[in-house]
Amino acid sequence: GEDVEQSLFLSVREGDSSVINCTYTDSSSTYLYWYKQEPGAGLQLLTYIFSNMDMKQDQRLTVLLNKKDKHLSLRIADTQTGDSAIYFCAESTGANNLFFGTGTRLTVIP
Amino acid sequence: DSGVTQTPKHLITATGQRVTLRCSPRSGDLSVYWYQQSLDQGLQFLIQYYNGEERAKGNILERFSAQQFPDLHSELNLSSLELGDSALYFCASSGGTTAYNEQFFGPGTRLTVL
Repeated sequence: GEDVEQSLFLSVREGDSSVINCTYTDSSSTYLYWYKQEPGAGLQLLTYIFSNMDMKQDQRLTVLLNKKDKHLSLRIADTQTGDSAIYFCAESTGANNLFFGTGTRLTVIP
Repeated sequence: DSGVTQTPKHLITATGQRVTLRCSPRSGDLSVYWYQQSLDQGLQFLIQYYNGEERAKGNILERFSAQQFPDLHSELNLSSLELGDSALYFCASSGGTTAYNEQFFGPGTRLTVL
């Protein structure tokens, strides 16, 4: 079955870049996603990447996909305190349901 | 605000009981998904409905069932509750109009089984 892994915690100083990493096992993934979960809230889609792309940039967010190594990363430039949250990577294959990683708790230190 | 509503926000019950969680999708979305978020299992897909029909099934226990009604709202029924069922239950909806199938998540129902 699908297995998506992330490191559990990341701390960065305000203004630095954050890099959150994710590995997955299903080579048939079609789309890969990054979701953000703020305390007491549901998940919100931040960005996504199609599996035939290597990189996608969206304002402060850069997604890198290494399909050979099944490695996905999310870089947040100029990290702010409002970026403190749990970040989930997720994949989908032919079906529409999502398989989520364990989530990485990002703490931004002022 | 995602446009997906879930009730109740919190639910406290005892082992062996049965509860029903309710979800109203975004206006016009035909797909509804249920997910369970627990400390030990992470965020897991349970089941998907599309326009009233079951579309996909994940790690949903036999004690759990769901349905989607003609007005597209969905209910997740959890019975013979155990302590380990304590978790956050999220509903998400999507319209299926984009290739990347963005799912919009509700705020969740926090279930505590005592």
